Amino acid sequence: SAVISQKPSRDICQRGTSLTIQCQVDSQVTMMFWYRQQPGQSLTLIATANQGSEATYESGFVIDKFPISRPNLTFSTLTVSNMSPEDSSIYLCSALYGSNEKLFFGSGTQLSVL
Amino acid sequence: DAKTTQPPSMDCAEGRAANLPCNHSTISGNEYVYWYRQIHSQGPQYIIHGLKNNETNEMASLIITEDRKSSTLILPHATLRDTAVYYCIVRPLSARQLTFGSGTQLTVLP
Repeated sequence: SAVISQKPSRDICQRGTSLTIQCQVDSQVTMMFWYRQQPGQSLTLIATANQGSEATYESGFVIDKFPISRPNLTFSTLTVSNMSPEDSSIYLCSALYGSNEKLFFGSGTQLSVL
Repeated sequence: DAKTTQPPSMDCAEGRAANLPCNHSTISGNEYVYWYRQIHSQGPQYIIHGLKNNETNEMASLIITEDRKSSTLILPHATLRDTAVYYCIVRPLSARQLTFGSGTQLTVLP
């Protein structure tokens, strides 16, 4: 099983501020993704983090609000910018491993915006 | 992507087999069936996946019907720790990400 470390595990932030979430995987992976899970909802894909190039965003998500970096094959960050209470969610990092392409998830970041 | 249909909730007695159904009637030939579960507020955990043959691992068994339009995840001896939301997901070979539906809330009762 893969090890994906995410931090912080939770945070409480003020409206208008930004938070950067870090994701570290235990081996080189082909692809990394960021998901959001709003309270009581299922997971929604935010973007694919591409190594060495700009992230690919899903409909409804934009780079100015959720800038993503992926400087190498084992690390990525997601920033939630200019936060509002509507951004209160669990943010999850995931990575695609191996030839049989299992997707593993980090433990998530529980974000509360006041 | 093929959509999946799962019952919103199910109960199972501790020690008994939990059988979780999933309907994916529009699945195409190159799409895999994946199962994940999410215990409250944690990241989803991979359980098992398959294409057309039945699969078994240390966690569960996956039974896919011959026409591939439905599948069943079997937890052979459910424990209280198996209480979670279980997601059935269909993923085409060309896609790298997973699209999550609403899942089944499984509650294992003592």
